[in-house]
Amino acid sequence: AQSVTQLGSHVSVSEGALVLLRCNYSSSVPPYLFWYVQYPNQGLQLLLKYTSAATLVKGINGFEAEFKKSETSFHLTKPSAHMSDAAEYFCAVRGGEYGNKLVFGAGTILRVKS
Amino acid sequence: KAGVTQTPRYLIKTRGQQVTLSCSPISGHRSVSWYQQTPGQGLQFLFEYFSETQRNKGNFPGRFSGRQFSNSRSEMNVSTLELGDSALYLCASSPSSGGGPYEQYFGPGTRLTVT
Repeated sequence: AQSVTQLGSHVSVSEGALVLLRCNYSSSVPPYLFWYVQYPNQGLQLLLKYTSAATLVKGINGFEAEFKKSETSFHLTKPSAHMSDAAEYFCAVRGGEYGNKLVFGAGTILRVKS
Repeated sequence: KAGVTQTPRYLIKTRGQQVTLSCSPISGHRSVSWYQQTPGQGLQFLFEYFSETQRNKGNFPGRFSGRQFSNSRSEMNVSTLELGDSALYLCASSPSSGGGPYEQYFGPGTRLTVT
């Protein structure tokens, strides 16, 4: 089965530092890609999505992600971390060899240190 | 617009019992998907309903079932509960179905604890 890999189950950064959360997909046909955020005891909220219109996608809360077909990656970045960014982040894909279902990565918990 | 609502938010059941969870999608959305979230397995797709028809199904035993009503509200049922069914069950709605780039809007989830 096709997988979605998020490198690093936990990432810790200092407030004001760069945030980099990694996501790689395994389909030979580029899928649609999404990043979701989940705060404690809440559902998931969409940060941004790649729909093949542009490789650099800007989302909410200052996050952006770049689609790189050659690396089969869709890493999430934010130039300056804020305490409120502490949450769990999920990469998800649909389409390509993944079919019609939304397939999630295992998630990365982001910790922001003051 | 009101978001996706799920009831109840918390539930405690005993092994062997059955449970029904409810999801009301965003007004106008015809697709409802269900996911199980656990620390060990992460987010796993259960099934998707679109216009009262099951469109997709994940790899869960037959004890997990669902349905969708004509007003797009959906229920999922788990029979003969096992300890391993303890999880956060998330419902998501969207205006579309299929393999496109549409967004799914998630509810806050129902936390099910099986003792």
